[in-house]
Amino acid sequence: GAVVSQHPSRVICKSGTSVKIECRSLDFQATTMFWYRQFPKKSLMLMATSNEGSKATYEQGVEKDKFLINHASLTLSTLTVTSAHPEDSSFYICSAPGRYEQYFGPGTRLTVT
Amino acid sequence: KQEVTQIPAALSVPEGENLVLNCSFTDSAIYNLQWFRQDPGKGLTSLLLIQSSQREQTSGRLNASLDKSSGRSTLYIAASQPGDSATYLCAVIRAAGNKLTFGGGTRVLVKP
Repeated sequence: GAVVSQHPSRVICKSGTSVKIECRSLDFQATTMFWYRQFPKKSLMLMATSNEGSKATYEQGVEKDKFLINHASLTLSTLTVTSAHPEDSSFYICSAPGRYEQYFGPGTRLTVT
Repeated sequence: KQEVTQIPAALSVPEGENLVLNCSFTDSAIYNLQWFRQDPGKGLTSLLLIQSSQREQTSGRLNASLDKSSGRSTLYIAASQPGDSATYLCAVIRAAGNKLTFGGGTRVLVKP
């Protein structure tokens, strides 16, 4: 099946700094990618839809200035958490749609100290 | 707005017993439904995909059914093993290429 990678898999940063997470589709092109956030023992919540060559679409309640999304190519989308705070600590997962199903990255564990 | 519910939220069974996990969704206009497995601290592993025109899919000990008209899907895991312990998530998609809407998941513990 199709492969989606995420980098880094784990990151620890200090409050106030910014962190960039990359999501790559390795063997297929994706004009759209999705970014999800997952709190401990909770389900995945969609944050935004990343659109290649245009602005991302954010879900209600997600701050677009805090969670910057860039989809500069057909195989790469990035999520930048700006001025991170401890409450931003979470598991972030991206996905890219194939013809019938969604392919998920392995996730990035962000810890803000 | 689509809402997906999974019941029960947690389930504990002895090894060898069959598992039955339920998923319901409020809007029957779906493109397909996916079942995923998630181990603690890990990403998602896709288990089964059922397209809207299908009624069930099988893979090994796993069988998933779909009743679109009633907004329900059931995942059956036969002869459970301790290695089946994980969280199982169902998700529906409205149209090809669209976002997934996830249920809250069912945490499964299979006791040896």
